Amino acid sequence: EAGVVQSPRYKIIEKKQPVAFWCNPISGHNTLYWYRQNLGQGPELLIRYENEEAVDDSQLPKDRFSAERLKGVDSTLKIQPAELGDSAVYLCASSPRGSETQYFGPGTRLLVL
Amino acid sequence: DQQVKQNSPSLSVQEGRISILNCDYTNSMFDYFLWYKKYPAEGPTFLISISSIKDKNEDGRFTVFLNKSAKHLSLHIVPSQPGDSAVYFCAASAYSGGGADGLTFGKGTHLIIQP
Repeated sequence: EAGVVQSPRYKIIEKKQPVAFWCNPISGHNTLYWYRQNLGQGPELLIRYENEEAVDDSQLPKDRFSAERLKGVDSTLKIQPAELGDSAVYLCASSPRGSETQYFGPGTRLLVL
Repeated sequence: DQQVKQNSPSLSVQEGRISILNCDYTNSMFDYFLWYKKYPAEGPTFLISISSIKDKNEDGRFTVFLNKSAKHLSLHIVPSQPGDSAVYFCAASAYSGGGADGLTFGKGTHLIIQP
C-alpha cells in the first residue's frame, strides 16, 4: 500500500513570494491533516479535513495561509506571501475513518530567504 | 503551555540494553496516545499506540505503559538495536465524535544506541 505522498520535498523561495504544497493521502483515508514542524519542535496542527470539509482550521494563520481539499482526496496548502518565519517542514498526514492513528508523509522542507 | 512534555532531549543507551523514553501530559481530555519514530529528512513513522482504557500495549520489542493518574506514559524498547537510533515523539489526541482531533506532540527525545 502506498504511503502519503507529498511534493515538492524541498522548496527555497524569497520572502513575499507565494508557495504551494501538495499532498496525496493513503487511498481510502477520509481524514487529512496538515502540520508544521519548526526546528527542534514537534509537529503542530494547522488544519484537519474530514473528506472535503475543513473541520478544524483554528490554528491556520488565515491572513496568509489557505488550504483546500477538492473531491475529498488530494490537498493543497498555500502560503501567500511567505515570511522568513514560515521556514519549517510542512507535514501531511491521513487516517482512516474511526481510527486515531495518523500516517505521515515525508514532508516538504521550506526555506524562506 | 505545553500539553505534552518530553523532558529528556536526548538519551544514550548501549546496544542490547533497555531504552526507556518518558512522556507527561496535562490535558485530561486526551484519550489516545501514540509514539512516532523519526529519522532525519523523513516524516514521523507510527510505532505503537495505547488507548486510555488500557495501561499497557506490547508489539514485539516495543511496549508502551500508561499511568493515567500520573498523566505519564513511557516507551520501552528491549533489546535496543542500532537501527533504533532516531528521534522519538510522544503524541496525544482526543476523539471528538466526528473524527480524531489533530495530534499534540512533545518536542521529541533523540535516542542514541551505542555499540
